[in-house]
Amino acid sequence: SQELEQSPQSLIVQEGKNLTINCTSSKTLYGLYWYKQKYGEGLIFLMMLQKGGEEKSHEKITAKLDEKKQQSSLHITASQPSHAGIYLCGADGNTGKLIFGQGTTLQVKP
Amino acid sequence: DAGITQSPRHKVTETGTPVTLRCHQTENHRYMYWYRQDPGHGLRLIHYSYGVKDTDKGEVSDGYSVSRSKTEDFLLTLESATSSQTSVYFCAISDASGRAGEQFFGPGTRLTVL
Repeated sequence: SQELEQSPQSLIVQEGKNLTINCTSSKTLYGLYWYKQKYGEGLIFLMMLQKGGEEKSHEKITAKLDEKKQQSSLHITASQPSHAGIYLCGADGNTGKLIFGQGTTLQVKP
Repeated sequence: DAGITQSPRHKVTETGTPVTLRCHQTENHRYMYWYRQDPGHGLRLIHYSYGVKDTDKGEVSDGYSVSRSKTEDFLLTLESATSSQTSVYFCAISDASGRAGEQFFGPGTRLTVL
């Protein structure tokens, strides 16, 4: 079965700093999704990547998909306290169902 | 925001009792999902539905059953709750056929089994 490994598991950064979260799959990626979860709330869909080399941005968050490496990275530029939360990657293993990574907890210190 | 609600939001129950969680949507989306979230495990799929009365198992379906008699409602039942089922349960909906990941999530139900 497909597994997703996220790194790091947790991250504390100073406001204004850049950061990167990685998501590595044990199998071929047919679609990679990034979600954000604020504490005590449900997940919010951020973006979807489907093609190798694809890169998408939303405000100060950029995600890339490296199909050969079976990996995606999420980069936040000039982090703000509003970026704090749990980031989860999800993969569609061509089954119509999502498999999620274990999540990366981000804290941004003012 | 997608119109998706979960009830109850919090529940404490005792081992061996039946528990039913409800997910209600107003978006008329075809697909509905139940996940559980536990520390160190991310989200794991319990059951999902691809239409009224059409359901299938996810990766952690043992001890759970589901029913969907109407498009808008998806019920998750723990026939005899155990402490290992203490978790936060999320419902999600999707209308993206073939694209499993564009899902909208409910606010979650925190279940504690004593």
